[in-house]
Amino acid sequence: ETGVTQTPRHLVMGMTNKKSLKCEQHLGHNAMYWYKQSAKKPLELMFVYSLEERVENNSVPSRFSPECPNSSHLFLHLHTLQPEDSALYLCASSQEDQRGTRFFGPGTRLTVL
Amino acid sequence: AQRVTQPEKLLSVFKGAPVELKCNYSYSGSPELFWYVQYSRQRLQLLLRHISRESIKGFTADLNKGETSFHLKKPFAQEEDSAMYYCALSGLSDTGRRALTFGSGTRLQVQP
Repeated sequence: ETGVTQTPRHLVMGMTNKKSLKCEQHLGHNAMYWYKQSAKKPLELMFVYSLEERVENNSVPSRFSPECPNSSHLFLHLHTLQPEDSALYLCASSQEDQRGTRFFGPGTRLTVL
Repeated sequence: AQRVTQPEKLLSVFKGAPVELKCNYSYSGSPELFWYVQYSRQRLQLLLRHISRESIKGFTADLNKGETSFHLKKPFAQEEDSAMYYCALSGLSDTGRRALTFGSGTRLQVQP
């Protein structure tokens, strides 16, 4: 598959569960991002990885833990989430020097019960 | 700090009518502006960039530095234009890194 893929597409979890979201990009990009999209707030940037190094963490609670093992893969590990964390989680990638251009994945729709 | 404001949450027009989606920004430097679109059940995607001065799907946007605006326009709306539109600004953040800031989005509904 080409572009940016995300799995799973839908996830329902309890507050005590531990789960992980996966993102993979097939575009040869060197930067990857996690965004949160919810009905009540604008698109929120969570984490930025550039050349596999985390370069930005926008005051995200520690119950969200990102991991970038290589430039093509990005994970978001989830544990002890709250119902207000229910949202669409979007992964994106870009070339570091292509300012403002993001290629987005389809998202994971997360519901926390 | 950089900020992007889209004052309208919803814009509803009839097919064939002109469309203008408003976007205002706040940034002390020289900004780069973008419009992203998200059609129903599709992923968020780049529509156009101000530096390209392009027309995509009939849409254009002109950067007006005097009014700090980057409104998206189309002379004749089509039903397939119905989607969520996000304005975004790329600029240097307080940390010195380049950041992309999104507006809150405007839902465009084109009625038949």
